[in-house]
Amino acid sequence: EAGVAQSPRYKIIEKRQSVAFWCNPISGHATLYWYQQILGQGPKLLIQFQNNGVVDDSQLPKDRFSAERLKGVDSTLKIQPAKLEDSAVYLCASSLDWTVGETQYFGPGTRLLVL
Amino acid sequence: GENVEQHPSTLSVQEGDSAVIKCTYSDSASNYFPWYKQELGKRPQLIIDIRSNVGEKKDQRIAVTLNKTAKHFSLHITETQPEDSAVYFCAARTNTGGFKTIFGAGTRLFVKA
Repeated sequence: EAGVAQSPRYKIIEKRQSVAFWCNPISGHATLYWYQQILGQGPKLLIQFQNNGVVDDSQLPKDRFSAERLKGVDSTLKIQPAKLEDSAVYLCASSLDWTVGETQYFGPGTRLLVL
Repeated sequence: GENVEQHPSTLSVQEGDSAVIKCTYSDSASNYFPWYKQELGKRPQLIIDIRSNVGEKKDQRIAVTLNKTAKHFSLHITETQPEDSAVYFCAARTNTGGFKTIFGAGTRLFVKA
């Protein structure tokens, strides 16, 4: 079974620039998550989708972050404009269904450095 | 809001010894508790999980215990090996306001050969 795919793997931008990350979940997984993992910390949930609907985005800084999953499969996460404190690894994860505590499978992450 | 605290932040053990990592959670409605292992530069991977209707679960050298009354759960690794060296994250899935998974800050485990 193919795992969660993410791209790019690394990105370096200057502050105030824009950046977008892409995630392709495991086939058949209805739930998709975006996490931010700052160095030395645990993953922090930014947004959770069930198919193409948002389940939770309470910790998403909506003034600069946006995410979509238009067809209920792939998802993109965008930061515009980026700040220095956005430097982190952005992890995408997917699970079969969010209501029954199914295992979350993580992608390799996108390592973002904002200069 | 929901919170998961994890201790210790760093743990160093001799090969063959046991390692114990403890977590507490704040939301009594939490019902699912996974543990993830993350090696340097790699993605978190699930190593064991436990649901709230079970007090203990074991898988070879790894075991997890859950005390719902005290709202804490622990990871036990026996007969540690150098390849167990990694960062371990506990997590709790809350039912409050939607099914959200909250992660602990992580424990960096060093197993000395």
